[in-house]
Amino acid sequence: ETGVTQTPRHLVMGMTNKKSLKCEQHLGHNAMYWYKQSAKKPLELMFVYNFKEQTENNSVPSRFSPECPNSSHLFLHLHTLQPEDSALYLCASSQDTLTRGQFFGPGTRLTVL
Amino acid sequence: KQEVTQIPAALSVPEGENLVLNCSFTDSAIYNLQWFRQDPGKGLTSLLLIQSSQREQTSGRLNASLDKSSGRSTLYIAASQPGDSATYLCAVALNYGGSQGNLIFGKGTKLSVKP
Repeated sequence: ETGVTQTPRHLVMGMTNKKSLKCEQHLGHNAMYWYKQSAKKPLELMFVYNFKEQTENNSVPSRFSPECPNSSHLFLHLHTLQPEDSALYLCASSQDTLTRGQFFGPGTRLTVL
Repeated sequence: KQEVTQIPAALSVPEGENLVLNCSFTDSAIYNLQWFRQDPGKGLTSLLLIQSSQREQTSGRLNASLDKSSGRSTLYIAASQPGDSATYLCAVALNYGGSQGNLIFGKGTKLSVKP
């Protein structure tokens, strides 16, 4: 099992709901990431946080709102989602954003009805 | 814009065979290249990371090579086993500007090793 945990593992929500995804890393890393994995598409980077500061927003719609209260925790707040937002959302962490590899959590399978 | 392509998209081999998975990228200005394994519905497990200055990395039955100038990497799996069945993803880390270190992924190669 990796040092990156994600909850919940599965989530079904309606388009008007508000929910949050949680990621926690136990590796002492300083950088954390959100990725989206849709069927038949490559993993897409959504957000990057380095030392709690957002350093990358890859043109993600505002209905996805990240939060990084400390270097160990990362949240993705969801509201007014669309069915096409259904996907596997993966969190990752790394020692820094440059030289070291990224370690991934198991993901949250999101279904938007 | 960096693009990563993996060939083949799917591969089925009998147990015991040696095999090669291919990855190509369009911009040779990369920071590093990483190979991952993903089991169905699960997260990614890092297999090997090759820095841009390196030519290859080995871990057990796995060997990854990098030819940055030609934009290619291969993952060699020796003596394949049914437990190797998974999707293998290649990712390159960008090496410019504020996006330095960001990973660009290929779509993966789905490997099935038959007993």
